[in-house]
Amino acid sequence: SYELTQPPSVSVSPGQTARITCSGDVLPKKYAYWYQQKSGQAPVVVIHEDSKRPSGIPERFSGSSSGTMATLTISGAQVEDEADYYCYSTDSTGRVFGGGTKLTVL
Amino acid sequence: EVRLVESGGGLVQPGGSLRLSCAASGFTFSTYNMNWVRQAPGKGLEWISFISSSGTSIHYADSVKGRFTISRDNAKNSLYLQMNSLRDEDTAVYYCTRDLHCGGDCYYFDFWGQGTLVTVSS
Repeated sequence: SYELTQPPSVSVSPGQTARITCSGDVLPKKYAYWYQQKSGQAPVVVIHEDSKRPSGIPERFSGSSSGTMATLTISGAQVEDEADYYCYSTDSTGRVFGGGTKLTVL
Repeated sequence: EVRLVESGGGLVQPGGSLRLSCAASGFTFSTYNMNWVRQAPGKGLEWISFISSSGTSIHYADSVKGRFTISRDNAKNSLYLQMNSLRDEDTAVYYCTRDLHCGGDCYYFDFWGQGTLVTVSS
């Protein structure tokens, strides 16, 4: 199995850019995905295949991946973006989530 | 509308067993791979098991291998998780998730149920 490592918390003021990182040895070979989970709700994917944004996800969400690190960027973070964010990836025999990052916007 | 509805959670003693079910609707269940994902109280997400659309390919996380069994009944549009030898650390909300194959090496969970709480405690 493999691991994905995220910072436990990130804090920004409204309108600032938030960056959440995810590191893992599998990332040069596999896509990174990002899930947003708001309190009491099921997770929702905000980025898939490193940088693709599903329909309905605001344009301020973007993703990138280089080497062993993937990054979720929220440009002009809003109060409603406050949530836990999880990176995720796959391999031939399973799936793994990072430990999660609590984003505070205040 | 895609719906995934889990059931079967509850309080069970350590060493006990529980069977979770997930009723799927709003899509052709038999053509999708499915997974179980759990989340301990106040903790992060943990993938625990995968089953292919036909049921012929199955994978488990090391944390549950040998104790949990995933299965499905495509005629009933249902996914199951048989949990045996339960431990305190299995306490979590268990989510049923649909696996989207978005092409090539792209796989992710595009729909989630609301979750069912399993509490392992004496």
